[in-house]
Amino acid sequence: EAGVVQSPRYKIIEKKQPVAFWCNPISGHNTLYWYLQNLGQGPELLIRYENEEAVDDSQLPKDRFSAERLKGVDSTLKIQPAELGDSAVYLCASSLGGNNNEQFFGPGTRLTVL
Amino acid sequence: GDSVTQMEGPVTLSEEAFLTINCTYTATGYPSLFWYVQYPGEGLQLLLKATKADDKGSNKGFEATYRKETTSFHLEKGSVQVSDSAVYFCALRKAFGNEKLTFGTGTRLTIIP
Repeated sequence: EAGVVQSPRYKIIEKKQPVAFWCNPISGHNTLYWYLQNLGQGPELLIRYENEEAVDDSQLPKDRFSAERLKGVDSTLKIQPAELGDSAVYLCASSLGGNNNEQFFGPGTRLTVL
Repeated sequence: GDSVTQMEGPVTLSEEAFLTINCTYTATGYPSLFWYVQYPGEGLQLLLKATKADDKGSNKGFEATYRKETTSFHLEKGSVQVSDSAVYFCALRKAFGNEKLTFGTGTRLTIIP
């Protein structure tokens, strides 16, 4: 069974440019998460989807970040415009949902903003 | 709010040494506790978990016991191998209504032959 797929794996952009990350969760997983991992830190939740509904986006900086999960499968996370401080690893995870289900993580997208 | 405090690294050990990575947490209620591992170039993987007090999670020779009285979930392994070199994250998840994982800062472990 394929795991969580993310692309691109690496992205280098100049500040003020837009950038988008894509995630394909494990087939059948209704819950999808985007986490932000700064260097030397643990991941922090940005947004959680149940199917196509964003049920927890309290930590998403909505002035520049947006996300969507059309049809409740793939998801895209966008930053516009990017700032130097956005340099980090963006992790996608998915789970079957419910409190006792394991979250499976993708390899992440490492963003560098110059 | 909820938080996880992890033993700071990096940690360097010789092969076959005993490993302990400390983890303590702050949370209301009865969270589930996890250890995740991140090998070089790979995504986070669940290593072990415990969902209630006094539970012991174990996997690949690693163990951790959920200690509510000390709010701890220390990771241990009796004899480490070079292949255990990775970054280890302690995390919690509230028992009800919130599936977010709250992670510690991670501990980088290097095992030398």
